[in-house]
Amino acid sequence: QVQMVESGGGVVQPGGSLRLSCAASGFTFNIYGMHWVRQAPGKGLEWVAVIWYDGTQEFYADSVKGRFTISRDNSKNMLYLQMNSLRVEDTAVYYCAGQEMATIRGQGTQVTVSS
Amino acid sequence: DIQMTQSPSFLSASVGDRVTITCRASQSIGHYLNWYQQKSGKAPKLLIYGTSNLQNGVPSRFSAIGSGTDYTLTIDSLQPEDFATYYCQQSYRTPLTFGGGTKVEIK
Repeated sequence: QVQMVESGGGVVQPGGSLRLSCAASGFTFNIYGMHWVRQAPGKGLEWVAVIWYDGTQEFYADSVKGRFTISRDNSKNMLYLQMNSLRVEDTAVYYCAGQEMATIRGQGTQVTVSS
Repeated sequence: DIQMTQSPSFLSASVGDRVTITCRASQSIGHYLNWYQQKSGKAPKLLIYGTSNLQNGVPSRFSAIGSGTDYTLTIDSLQPEDFATYYCQQSYRTPLTFGGGTKVEIK
C-alpha cells in the first residue's frame, strides 16, 4: 500500500527556517521523481518543487526559488524540503507527491509563518 | 506551464443526482490526469489516477474518462458524503498543475 507521511511543519517567524520530511513506502521510491505541493488557507493546490529520481535535477516554482531546497535520500525512502527565509505567504499545508502519476497520498504538514 | 481549466467552479445538486465535472488542459496530456476529493480541513483524497483508474477503496459510483485535453469525472447517484471540493491534476509535465476546483454543495 502506497504511503507518504509528511512531517516537520510548525510555526515560525518570518525569515526563519524549517525542514520538512516525507517518508515514502509501498512503492519503488528510487525510480520516481518526487514533488512538493502546497495549499494556502482557502486556496487551491500549488506545485512547489520536484527532484529527479536520482537526485540529479531539481526545479522550483518561482515563488520559492533561491529560498527552498528539495533533496532526497533513496537509501531511506525519504524526501525533504529545506525552507529558508520564510515569508508569511509560505503559510500552507505542504504535501509530497510521487509515484508514476505524481499523486498526493499523505495528510500533509502545516507550516505557519507568523510574527 | 500546462493550464488546467475546471468547470463548473460551483455545483449545487441533490442526493441521488448524477454529477459531471470537466477539466480541460491547455495542451495534450495523454492519460496523466488525476482527480481528488477534498473536504474542509482535510487533505486531498485521491479518487482517480491515470484518467480512469479508480483508487482502491473508492466507491464505484465515481468514474472518469478522457483523452487529449478533455477529461470528465462523473458521480452517479450523489451521496451525502460526496459533498466536497474536487480537483483535477495533470502530471504529464513539470510543473504539476491543478484545476481551480469544483465545490459540490447540497441543493
